[in-house]
Amino acid sequence: GAGVSQSPSNKVTEKGKDVELRCDPISGHTALYWYRQRLGQGLEFLIYFQGNSAPDKSGLPSDRFSAERTGESVSTLTIQRTQQEDSAVYLCASSPTGILYNEQFFGPGTRLTVL
Amino acid sequence: GQQVMQIPQYQHVQEGEDFTTYCNSSTTLSNIQWYKQRPGGHPVFLIQLVKSGEVKKQKRLTFQFGEAKKNSSLHITATQTTDVGTYFCAGSNFGNEKLTFGTGTRLTIIP
Repeated sequence: GAGVSQSPSNKVTEKGKDVELRCDPISGHTALYWYRQRLGQGLEFLIYFQGNSAPDKSGLPSDRFSAERTGESVSTLTIQRTQQEDSAVYLCASSPTGILYNEQFFGPGTRLTVL
Repeated sequence: GQQVMQIPQYQHVQEGEDFTTYCNSSTTLSNIQWYKQRPGGHPVFLIQLVKSGEVKKQKRLTFQFGEAKKNSSLHITATQTTDVGTYFCAGSNFGNEKLTFGTGTRLTIIP
């Protein structure tokens, strides 16, 4: 079956512009995560959606970052007024419900370059 | 908040040598997972451990979950060039499905 997909795969933008990154999770997965990974670094948690619960936004680095999810489907991560420090790979992951069944399936990521 | 640290941050080994990465959580975990990220790729799930003291093997990989469920290790026997990548542990707390990822250990192999 289809895995997690993300678009675009690459995005080059100018400093100050807004960008929207899209994630299509695996159908039926209630949990969805966004991470940021700078070159050669670990996974930086951004936001977590679980079903209809209020999202955990504790990882968003500033108010320029926001994310939405429509039900248990597509999610978009929006970065406003991009800065060069926002350059990174943005990874989306989804997982099925259940505390002991929360293996995360990652998408291929969106590589964002802010000039 | 919960913190998950891994050591070492980097490890360079000769092909054929063994490799171990250690994962330590600031809180007791309900489960621990391990992921591998190849260079240029995305993390891929390897295994999940749930029970205190649990040991699981996958060919040359051995995973352990500590008795106190606050630490874990991944040991690779006789490394091969295909083992190159970054290994992440990730844990959940009881009553919370959210996974917290460790800082990762990057393994490079010297042929």
